[in-house]
Amino acid sequence: KQEVTQIPAALSVPEGENLVLNCSFTDSAIYNLQWFRQDPGKGLTSLLLIQSSQREQTSGRLNASLDKSSGRSTLYIAASQPGDSATYLCAVPSTYNFNKFYFGSGTKLNVKP
Amino acid sequence: DVKVTQSSRYLVKRTGEKVFLECVQDMDHENMFWYRQDPGLGLRLIYFSYDVKMKEKGDIPEGYSVSREKKERFSLILESASTNQTSMYLCASSLMPQRGQTIYNEQFFGPGTRLTVL
Repeated sequence: KQEVTQIPAALSVPEGENLVLNCSFTDSAIYNLQWFRQDPGKGLTSLLLIQSSQREQTSGRLNASLDKSSGRSTLYIAASQPGDSATYLCAVPSTYNFNKFYFGSGTKLNVKP
Repeated sequence: DVKVTQSSRYLVKRTGEKVFLECVQDMDHENMFWYRQDPGLGLRLIYFSYDVKMKEKGDIPEGYSVSREKKERFSLILESASTNQTSMYLCASSLMPQRGQTIYNEQFFGPGTRLTVL
């Protein structure tokens, strides 16, 4: 069974820092990996979907990388802002059933002004 | 942009009541999902549907049922609400992925419904 881990569970950084969020998965036979953002009390917002054939995917100040062989993905946030404060989750679909997703427990990010 | 809407942001119900949570998506997605999210337990799949009138159980279907009469609408039903169903309920939708090298099944979520059962 796929297990998805996000460490650390929480992160606090000063505004302006570049930072990296980590996502690890145990079964490297994934088709893609999705990063989400969740604000308190709200739903998940899709940030990036990175396919297994890609090594990187970029959207604005966000850059996601994927290393299937090592079972890792990173989400790089450049020049962090207080508005980036949220919980960031990653998810991978099951190889056997694309409609079943394994979610990490998230990293809660606090960007201090 | 994909838009997924849920009928209520906050809902308070009494034990034993029948509760309907509704979800609507506007992107003609085949797949729709209901999750619940609880502190320390993460997101857990309750049910999903891959077509009108088609459904499959997720990890925690007990105490829930679903209905999908139209492609854009997916309802979650709590037949007799209990206090342990107090939770955040999240609806999502995605395209039906085709097996191949590129699987495009990006999930889009609604704003969530915070249900409290007293």
